[in-house]
Amino acid sequence: GENVEQHPSTLSVQEGDSAVIKCTYSDSASNYFPWYKQELGKGPQLIIDIRSNVGEKKDQRIAVTLNKTAKHFSLHITETQPEDSAVYFCAGGVSGNTPLVFGKGTRLSVIA
Amino acid sequence: NAGVMQNPRHLVRRRGQEARLRCSPMKGHSHVYWYRQLPEEGLKFMVYLQKENIIDESGMPKERFSAEFPKEGPSILRIQQVVRGDSAAYFCASSSGTGTAAYTEAFFGQGTRLTVV
Repeated sequence: GENVEQHPSTLSVQEGDSAVIKCTYSDSASNYFPWYKQELGKGPQLIIDIRSNVGEKKDQRIAVTLNKTAKHFSLHITETQPEDSAVYFCAGGVSGNTPLVFGKGTRLSVIA
Repeated sequence: NAGVMQNPRHLVRRRGQEARLRCSPMKGHSHVYWYRQLPEEGLKFMVYLQKENIIDESGMPKERFSAEFPKEGPSILRIQQVVRGDSAAYFCASSSGTGTAAYTEAFFGQGTRLTVV
């Protein structure tokens, strides 16, 4: 089955700097890669996703890239703000009828 | 359009009691997924259900745990004879299902935090 690895487990950046979180997956059949943000005491919130037919997707300060050959994908947050501080999870999905497999999460701290 | 609703938000049970966790998917969604999250860990898949069917329960312990998603009403995750190791946050997600091979987005509820004392 699918296995998703996520790095780093913790990340501290100065406000205004960029943050990059990387994930790798094992199943070449995976075709959907969402990213979730989880704030303390809350459920994961979908922030951006990418499908295997594109290599990059951007939404304001957030972008995701996908390298199918290398089987890795990354989340990029530019101009970080204190409210970006949270735990971020990547996930991979093989098809619509299988559940998402999650990475272990990255705790991002943005220091003002 | 209300999001995924889970209740209760917090649940305390004594060892040996039963815990019932409820999840109402987003309107129009017929696919429900249950995940467990331990402190400082990721989300572990437990079970995937569609209306009246269990599609994949490979992540759910064989004993004491069961799940259902009836034709009417919320999905229920039931844990019998709870033990301290069952203490965790349990999250439900829903999606609108699949029309093609492309995945559809899954949206999570706020979770139920189960504490076994």
